[in-house]
Amino acid sequence: DTGVSQNPRHKITKRGQNVTFRCDPISEHNRLYWYRQTLGQGPEFLTYFQNEAQLEKSRLLSDRFSAERPKGSFSTLEIQRTEQGDSAMYLCASSLGAAQSEQYFGPGTRLTVT
Amino acid sequence: DQQVKQNSPSLSVQEGRISILNCDYTNSMFDYFLWYKKYPAEGPTFLISISSIKDKNEDGRFTVFLNKSAKHLSLHIVPSQPGDSAVYFCAASALGAGNMLTFGGGTRLMVKP
Repeated sequence: DTGVSQNPRHKITKRGQNVTFRCDPISEHNRLYWYRQTLGQGPEFLTYFQNEAQLEKSRLLSDRFSAERPKGSFSTLEIQRTEQGDSAMYLCASSLGAAQSEQYFGPGTRLTVT
Repeated sequence: DQQVKQNSPSLSVQEGRISILNCDYTNSMFDYFLWYKKYPAEGPTFLISISSIKDKNEDGRFTVFLNKSAKHLSLHIVPSQPGDSAVYFCAASALGAGNMLTFGGGTRLMVKP
């Protein structure tokens, strides 16, 4: 399977704990995106990388959130001191760097903060 | 401020008939539009896209129409099949914004046999 993969698929954590998610994009894609989706809503943009450079961050991405893409391949999204409001599906997508290229999504990581 | 809106939360269609899903946007800087399909517990799957220089794009049973003056796009599925039952999202991006997508809230399509 050469699609976008995400791990873990599900994560249950207690409020105040830190969590880290991983995304492996399609290998030839140099752009990688993180989105968050809550129930009944469409995905909301969080941040994106061009190779290893983080080029854009949404105001939704509070100081407790950090993302990295150290070698321009896989990416990690860390949430520190989780809150119940962080419960959501976290989606990763990748695309070629060309303008107007479609993004391909992974299956997502569902986070539940208790 | 929702820049992309899908005003119909759900749509029910008989198998074999046409499904029409609608989407409106407010940001005139959007120049690329996409439709995604999403099944439960899966990520969105890309269906079809259209650039703002076109008004129609077709791929098999799926056709997307773009009306820039009305800031409106629609997805037509003909003929509809039970396997098309899913949530459909429209999304838009603006040149120079890194292709970050702004999504609508989705429309749940139910195709009845």
